[in-house]
Amino acid sequence: EVQLVESGGGLVQPGRSLKLSCLASGFTFSNYGMNWIRQAPGKGLEWVASISSSSSYIYYADTVKGRFTISRDNAKNTLYLQMTSLRSEDTALYYCARHGNYGYTPYFDYWGQGVMVTVSS
Amino acid sequence: DIVLTQSPALAVSLEQRATISCKTSQNVDNYGISYMHWYQQKPGQQPKLLIYEGSNLASGIPARFSGSGSGTDFTLTIDPVEADDIATYYCQQSKDYPRTFGGGTKLELK
Repeated sequence: EVQLVESGGGLVQPGRSLKLSCLASGFTFSNYGMNWIRQAPGKGLEWVASISSSSSYIYYADTVKGRFTISRDNAKNTLYLQMTSLRSEDTALYYCARHGNYGYTPYFDYWGQGVMVTVSS
Repeated sequence: DIVLTQSPALAVSLEQRATISCKTSQNVDNYGISYMHWYQQKPGQQPKLLIYEGSNLASGIPARFSGSGSGTDFTLTIDPVEADDIATYYCQQSKDYPRTFGGGTKLELK
């Protein structure tokens, strides 16, 4: 069974940093691209960042570029999101999601339960 | 950025058909494949993949869900609607970065 379990969230002051983790199990982690997607309270879904299976390709939303860093450790089956210079608008539930590999296009086939990040003084 | 536009809400009766639309600001097809996907999100839960590449049913999803469309106009159909289908539905494109989602359509009971 595919499982994605996020951790590392919490309450943080504006301008500070936080690092999220996503522990994957039930599949060969090193074969799949991975993503972070967030959802502000009561709002829709916003893609944050993507990383390819070997970390060769990395992409960010403009809203986080230069402040967030996505990375992975395939030996530990873990995806990371290092968040710096946090702003109140970064307050959201952060999901990690796997890239599906049936078909020809990338989509998000499995999602974690999410971890809450609250940026407030 | 590719903008995806969905109606905010749709009211439907049980056992009737629900049609949810998603319009994109640019063509999201390439070589006959639609880079359009649909997700269901129930309150307090993570999103779940329903349809990928416009019309392919994801694993474990009931056949009452179907997807259609091409280019800039796409539709998610639920027929018949069951009580368990009350949720918010999002379309999403993967043709280009940034990946973008529609604003979501909340399916409500009439």
